[in-house]
Amino acid sequence: DIQMTQSPASLSASLGETVTIECRASEDIYSNLAWYQQKPGNSPQLLIYDANSLADGVPSRFSGSGSGTQYSLKINSLQSEDVASYFCQQYNNYPPTFGAGTKLELK
Amino acid sequence: QVQLQQSGAELAKPGSSVKISCKASGYTFTSYYISWIKQTTGQGLEYIGYINTGSGGTNYNEKFKGKATLTVDKSSSTAFMQLSSLTPDDSAVYYCARFGYNPYVMDAWGQGASVTVSS
Repeated sequence: DIQMTQSPASLSASLGETVTIECRASEDIYSNLAWYQQKPGNSPQLLIYDANSLADGVPSRFSGSGSGTQYSLKINSLQSEDVASYFCQQYNNYPPTFGAGTKLELK
Repeated sequence: QVQLQQSGAELAKPGSSVKISCKASGYTFTSYYISWIKQTTGQGLEYIGYINTGSGGTNYNEKFKGKATLTVDKSSSTAFMQLSSLTPDDSAVYYCARFGYNPYVMDAWGQGASVTVSS
């Protein structure tokens, strides 16, 4: 299975700040990467797919980039409602596999 | 609106089985596949497998073969996952989620069903 290594494991940032979360795949996944947001007590919600495509209804302050084995999620102008855990997921190979998550908190 | 409504929390004894349901509404059920995902604090998110809601065909993650059985009832737009021979390692929150045009990109999730295995 493809291993997804996510960093950092936790992150503390201030309102209005820009934050970046990284995800590295153990082999080339050809941009077949999604990002999910999971707020405390809720189920994951799709943010980004195909590495850089915004899912329906997702604010434009979220963006994704990357290729090959290296990908990132950027959140511009951090809002209080962005406090959550974020997970990357590859779907180039079966089974799909997830990163361990990044917990984002407010400073 | 699209909804996946899962059944409630389960408390089960080691060696027993549980069956979790996932009732879809707000879209054409057979136009999307249903995936099942396990979430634990220790292991994070693990993909169990998916079911083709139209044909009933399934594809399991090797790790969950023999543990999970996925079925579907098209007449009620409901997918099911049975977990058998339960051990404490099966204690987790289990999610159903749909994917369609983009395989394994899960654009709607159920609220999760907690399974606790304890004697």
